[in-house]
Amino acid sequence: AQKVTQAQTEISVVEKEDVTLDCVYETRDTTYYLFWYKQPPSGELVFLIRRNSFDEQNEISGRYSWNFQKSTSSFNFTITASQVVDSAVYFCALSEVSETSGSRLTFGEGTQLTVNP
Amino acid sequence: DAGVIQSPRHEVTEMGQEVTLRCKPISGHNSLFWYRQTMMRGLELLIYFNNNVPIDDSGMPEDRFSAKMPNASFSTLKIQPSEPRDSAVYFCASSLAPLTGNTIYFGEGSWLTVV
Repeated sequence: AQKVTQAQTEISVVEKEDVTLDCVYETRDTTYYLFWYKQPPSGELVFLIRRNSFDEQNEISGRYSWNFQKSTSSFNFTITASQVVDSAVYFCALSEVSETSGSRLTFGEGTQLTVNP
Repeated sequence: DAGVIQSPRHEVTEMGQEVTLRCKPISGHNSLFWYRQTMMRGLELLIYFNNNVPIDDSGMPEDRFSAKMPNASFSTLKIQPSEPRDSAVYFCASSLAPLTGNTIYFGEGSWLTVV
């Protein structure tokens, strides 16, 4: 069975600090995809990034960066120079892959990030 | 481009009433998912469809819940009769399959309160 663990339930930082959100996953699949979603206070789920299991290159998008390490089954998310608008719940998710069933997501419990001014 | 559209955004209903949540997936997507989010259980998959066919409904809590997808552009999730423990945010999501690993895009959610 697939499992995603986000050990940090809540993180509080002061604006401009860097913050890393941890994600550890379990799967028996050799092909899988990892995702991060953001859920701001308004409630919607916003897609941030998708990585496949064969691509361990780190990715940077503006102030966001992701570190995928297959050896430790981790897919961590770092926000550099955090801003108040980054305050949200962040979910890591794992997708099992099947041509007949599409992509089903298993979500972690989420990390509530609060950025204080 | 329009994203996944859900209605209603908010609903308050009395216990025992029927509730119908609606979803329009992104045009061209052929997989549709219904998720439920609660404080206790987090985000859990209720059911998903591929090409309008239910593939796995093992996440549907009980017989009071039913979902349909009569065509590629519309799905409903019905709860009858509703109970207070059904209070949650219900998300509809869609993706393009069978291309593997495609991103699942979520609607804004339907916030259901059963009193």
